Amino acid sequence: DIQVTQSPSTLSASVGDRVTITCRTSQTITSWLAWYQQKPGKAPKLLISKASTLESGVPSRFGGSGSGTEFTLTISSLQPDDFATYYCQQYHSFSPWAFGQGTKVDI
Amino acid sequence: QLVESGGGLVKPGGSLRLTCEASGFSFSDFSMNWVRQAPGKGLEWVASIGSRSTYIYYADSVKGRFTISRDNAKNSLSLQMNSLRGDDTAFYYCARDKSGFDIWGQGTMVTVSS
Repeated sequence: DIQVTQSPSTLSASVGDRVTITCRTSQTITSWLAWYQQKPGKAPKLLISKASTLESGVPSRFGGSGSGTEFTLTISSLQPDDFATYYCQQYHSFSPWAFGQGTKVDI
Repeated sequence: QLVESGGGLVKPGGSLRLTCEASGFSFSDFSMNWVRQAPGKGLEWVASIGSRSTYIYYADSVKGRFTISRDNAKNSLSLQMNSLRGDDTAFYYCARDKSGFDIWGQGTMVTVSS
């Protein structure tokens, strides 16, 4: 099975900061990686698919990059609505659709 | 949208059946999934089923105890959960698979406790 390692687990930042979250996989997954945002008491929301494709309605301050085994989610200028927990997920052919451990972005 | 139901309190060793009703899209065109989240923990993928039930996959943690199924005529996804354990306590979400899980239900809580 492909293992997914996400870092950091928590991140303290301020409004306006540039924020970077990293996801690494134990085997290459080409670009089959998604990023989600989850707020307390809510279902996750898909932000980015195929490593870098922004979902409709997602602000352009969110960006994804990477391929192979290393991927990055970047928030170019953190906004108050962005304080949440972020998860990566690999979905390469079939290996279990594993999620990263999550990164909580707080003030 | 997706709407889950069927959660509740069940004793260890018991069974529960979750249902997810889909609307607003062509349900039979998409693979579907169950994902769970224990209180205060991260997301855990549980099971997947192909659009025509051509494939079914399970996480090792539920294999042999949970059964995923779908009824395309009724736009419905199910998760039959048997031999439930305390570590199955979680919020259970159904999610549509479209290069990432793009639509999620609101979730239903399953609590396994004596």
